[in-house]
Amino acid sequence: DQQVKQNSPSLSVQEGRISILNCDYTNSMFDYFLWYKKYPAEGPTFLISISSIKDKNEDGRFTVFLNKSAKHLSLHIVPSQPGDSAVYFCAAEIQGAQKLVFGQGTRLTINP
Amino acid sequence: NAGVTQTPKFRVLKTGQSMTLLCAQDMNHEYMYWYRQDPGMGLRLIHYSVGEGTTAKGEVPDGYNVSRLKKQNFLLGLESAAPSQTSVYFCASSWGPPAVTQYFGPGTRLTVL
Repeated sequence: DQQVKQNSPSLSVQEGRISILNCDYTNSMFDYFLWYKKYPAEGPTFLISISSIKDKNEDGRFTVFLNKSAKHLSLHIVPSQPGDSAVYFCAAEIQGAQKLVFGQGTRLTINP
Repeated sequence: NAGVTQTPKFRVLKTGQSMTLLCAQDMNHEYMYWYRQDPGMGLRLIHYSVGEGTTAKGEVPDGYNVSRLKKQNFLLGLESAAPSQTSVYFCASSWGPPAVTQYFGPGTRLTVL
């Protein structure tokens, strides 16, 4: 029972274009969502987050959108750079649970 | 600040052997977590701790034990390793409520033959 799903195992985008990574969830009790980035042989690093009371959060080239009615969030990277090539995980938390549920990850490759 | 460190980085075990993975954090975080990462499965929570002396089961706790005797350390033990425990193990820590952001260590790659 995968509560957080990233249905695209991989995504390839040309440098300078927009990368859009998607994540769907099933549990309506989730109230905080995060994106993590992971390079090979390293641990995941926090990228950006959004509370369920918002529908958008922006940090530089990264923007996360939340559509609660569709139980869907997405991460936009504009413009995409070669250093963005990594695996991206979305994660969700139920308020107060202090535990994160992770998606399967999407491998993003930025082509020159 | 070293952040979150994990020891060892790599380990190969034979079926039935035991071992302990050590996680240390220097951020004075209350909460600590152990995850495993397998291909196509994302990160799955094994055990976690909400403070010194406490532990709780996560999503996939079977075959593992943990201890949090000191606030800065979280140990993950495998008493009798099985090939199904071949994985990459990540430790993470966080401040605790209301902050939810977790900070991860570099991982331990474990192979059980």
